[in-house]
Amino acid sequence: TQLLEQSPQFLSIQEGENLTVYCNSSSVFSSLQWYRQEPGEGPVLLVTVVTGGEVKKLKRLTFQFGDARKDSSLHITAAQPGDTGLYLCAGARGNKLVFGAGTILRVKS
Amino acid sequence: GAVVSQHPSWVICKSGTSVKIECRSLDFQATTMFWYRQFPKKSLMLMATSNEGSKATYEQGVEKDKFLINHASLTLSTLTVTSAHPEDSSFYICSAREGGLAGEQYFGPGTRLTVT
Repeated sequence: TQLLEQSPQFLSIQEGENLTVYCNSSSVFSSLQWYRQEPGEGPVLLVTVVTGGEVKKLKRLTFQFGDARKDSSLHITAAQPGDTGLYLCAGARGNKLVFGAGTILRVKS
Repeated sequence: GAVVSQHPSWVICKSGTSVKIECRSLDFQATTMFWYRQFPKKSLMLMATSNEGSKATYEQGVEKDKFLINHASLTLSTLTVTSAHPEDSSFYICSAREGGLAGEQYFGPGTRLTVT
């Protein structure tokens, strides 16, 4: 079983639409990170959330960390084709990062 | 931001040979480096954690004699895939962390290994 459940696994939307990706767990994490990865490249860190209830914004992306620090969401407003990629959430547990299964986002123009 | 490089970016080798992949932190000292494996359209699977100057800690199911990890300096870790087989073909990604547990991990660009 996956320690971090990420949903949806795949999302195909039209340019301009909004979307939300969820990352849920029954475990508490000291911090949670969101990454975006393009084919053939390494993941690129988008944001780290640390405090329960924290909300961070990065242009059209809004990240939220649940009050209990067990879940997080990524909301993209007015998606663009350039947002296409694999989105990964990862929770810090001890010395390691635990990754969700990933969400493949495809934004069609 | 912190930069992590990997070399080579892609490699093709014959079955039975060994391949070494390098991971370097270019502008910071990495006390801990991590090696991941990733299959197409899938998430990252942690293979092992290496701390400078000590033996790597391997995840369950990862053969330490097949995937040799060396972390000889604070800026370099290497992964050697020994006696490679076609099923070892994958995308291998390293990451490096500056400082202790609170430090962020920065990922390399990955190495595509194809074993023929």
